[in-house]
Amino acid sequence: EPEVTQTPSHQVTQMGQEVILRCVPISNHLYFYWYRQILGQKVEFLVSFYNNEISEKSEIFDDQFSVERPDGSNFTLKIRSTKLEDSAMYFCASSSERDNEQFFGPGTRLTVL
Amino acid sequence: QKEVEQNSGPLSVPEGAIASLNCTYSDRVSQSFFWYRQYSGKSPELIMSIYSNGDKEDGRFTAQLNKASQYVSLLIRDSQPSDSATYLCAVSHSGAGSYQLTFGKGTKLSVIP
Repeated sequence: EPEVTQTPSHQVTQMGQEVILRCVPISNHLYFYWYRQILGQKVEFLVSFYNNEISEKSEIFDDQFSVERPDGSNFTLKIRSTKLEDSAMYFCASSSERDNEQFFGPGTRLTVL
Repeated sequence: QKEVEQNSGPLSVPEGAIASLNCTYSDRVSQSFFWYRQYSGKSPELIMSIYSNGDKEDGRFTAQLNKASQYVSLLIRDSQPSDSATYLCAVSHSGAGSYQLTFGKGTKLSVIP
C-alpha cells in the first residue's frame, strides 16, 4: 500500500543552524501538508501546498520556514535558523483531493540544542 | 478561533467491551471529520472519515456525526489490547485553497486484558 515517507527520522541540530526535512508524498496525491507536534501537545498545522505554491499557512509558519517541491517526488520543509522551541515531531501528510483523507508520514523528530 | 475538544482520559475499558470516544468542535462551517489513532512516539494513522450526519461503520469502528450539536464520536466494538493508543479527532476547515486539519488533544484509551 502506498505510504508517505520522511527522512531523516531524527535530526539533531544546534540553535541557529538550518535544517531541511524531506518528505515523499504518495505518488498520485496533489495536496501536501506539514504539521508539527511538540512533545505532549496537540498536532498543529503549519502549511499546505498545491500546484507548486503555498495554499495556506498558520501563524507558526513565519519567515524562518519555507517549503519547496524541488522535483516530481520530494516535498521539503526548511527552517532557516532553528530555535530551541522548534524542537518537535514534524509530520508530512498528503491527500488526493482538497477535502479528502490526509495520510501522514512517520515523522522527523527535530531536536534543537 | 477554531477549537476541537476531547476528553483527555485515560479511558480504560476491559477487553471485549465497547469504547466510546467523543469530540466537539466550535466551527459550524467545518466540512469533514476524521479519527486518527496515534501510538506513543508514532505518527497519526487514519481510522475513519465522516462527512455527513449519521453513522458510518467500518469493521469494529463506527463514527457518528451530529452537525447540529457539533459533535462527533467513535465507537470501538470488541476492544482489543492492541487498540490501546491515543485517539485524535480532527476537523477540516476550508481555507484559501486547502483543507487544513485542526486536531484535538486526543483521548488516551487503555484496553485491559
